[in-house]
Amino acid sequence: AQSVAQPEDQVNVAEGNPLTVKCTYSVSGNPYLFWYVQYPNRGLQFLLKYITGDNLVKGSYGFEAEFNKSQTSFHLKKPSALVSDSALYFCAVRVGRGGGADGLTFGKGTHLIIQP
Amino acid sequence: GAGVSQSPRYKVAKRGQDVALRCDPISGHVSLFWYQQALGQGPEFLTYFQNEAQLDKSGLPSDRFFAERPEGSVSTLKIQRTQQEDSAVYLCASRVGQLEQYFGPGTRLTVT
Repeated sequence: AQSVAQPEDQVNVAEGNPLTVKCTYSVSGNPYLFWYVQYPNRGLQFLLKYITGDNLVKGSYGFEAEFNKSQTSFHLKKPSALVSDSALYFCAVRVGRGGGADGLTFGKGTHLIIQP
Repeated sequence: GAGVSQSPRYKVAKRGQDVALRCDPISGHVSLFWYQQALGQGPEFLTYFQNEAQLDKSGLPSDRFFAERPEGSVSTLKIQRTQQEDSAVYLCASRVGQLEQYFGPGTRLTVT
């Protein structure tokens, strides 16, 4: 079985400071990893993914994430936070091609609050 | 282009009623997924279609839940004899190839 842990329910960051939202995963096989953002009363919006290749992946709105295989982590980062980044962030995992299940397994989400 | 659309956006059902939730995926997306998101939780996988074939229904919580995609495009999630624990947001997503899934806005189901 695969699982995702987001250890922080909430992260508070001052505007302009760097931010990190943590994610660790467990999967049998090569992981495909994703970050999504959810604004109130809206669906999930895709931010970025790791499939293969460079461990540092860049995505939408200036976000990036670093895949660390030895620590089974995929933390979301941004060098300078904006108030508009305040939202609910979800990390998700699935086993790569040929590994079986195609459905994503999500973490419980982390509320990111950027203070002006 | 148009994204994934879902209807209705909100549904209130009395316990014991049947409901049908609709999903229109992005045109050309072969894969379609349904998820259930309870309040304060992450989405949980329900079922997966590739074209009209339902390849995985391991996440459906009971035999009261049924999904179909008869022509490989629009999909319907049906819940029979709704219970209070069925109250949640139901998300639909579609995907092309093995890449990321694109989600619709969801249907918020409230069972009273």
